[in-house]
Amino acid sequence: GAGVSQSPSNKVTEKGKDVELRCDPISGHTALYWYRQRLGQGLEFLIYFQGNSAPDKSGLPSDRFSAERTGESVSTLTIQRTQQEDSAVYLCASSYAGTAHYNEQFFGPGTRLTVL
Amino acid sequence: AQSVAQPEDQVNVAEGNPLTVKCTYSVSGNPYLFWYVQYPNRGLQFLLKYITGDNLVKGSYGFEAEFNKSQTSFHLKKPSALVSDSALYFCAVRDSGTYKYIFGTGTRLKVLA
Repeated sequence: GAGVSQSPSNKVTEKGKDVELRCDPISGHTALYWYRQRLGQGLEFLIYFQGNSAPDKSGLPSDRFSAERTGESVSTLTIQRTQQEDSAVYLCASSYAGTAHYNEQFFGPGTRLTVL
Repeated sequence: AQSVAQPEDQVNVAEGNPLTVKCTYSVSGNPYLFWYVQYPNRGLQFLLKYITGDNLVKGSYGFEAEFNKSQTSFHLKKPSALVSDSALYFCAVRDSGTYKYIFGTGTRLKVLA
């Protein structure tokens, strides 16, 4: 079946512009995560969705970052007034969140964001 | 606060030799521990996890990991390395009381023919 997809795969933007990144999770996966991976570094947790709600937004670096999810499916991560330090690969992952909620995550290929 | 440490940026091992990739963690509650692998030009893939029970867990591609509570470690192992195992390996932990996953900085494994 189809895996997690993300679009665009690459995005180059100018400093100060807004960008929107999209994630399509695996159908039926109620949990969805966004991460940021800077060059040579590990994954940095940004936000977690359970259904359309975000019980944990603690990783969003600033109020320029926001995310939403609709229909327990597609999620968008929006970065306003982009800065050069926002340049990174943004990864989305989904998982089936059963009652125990410790299932493995399935990752998308990522969106490489470059802010000039 | 939760944290994960992968003390080695890179591990080199000869093909056919055993390999170990180290991971230590810190959580306040019970840990849920994971290993993921990132092959070149491919997304992260799940390898194995420890939730509860037997301290030795087995995963994909012949990998296994041992949970050691006293040493707060979850090292990844394989008895005989293959060149195709060369990749970037990430350890991750989730405190049972939160939804947040913390990933290590990754260890690049290079298996030499």
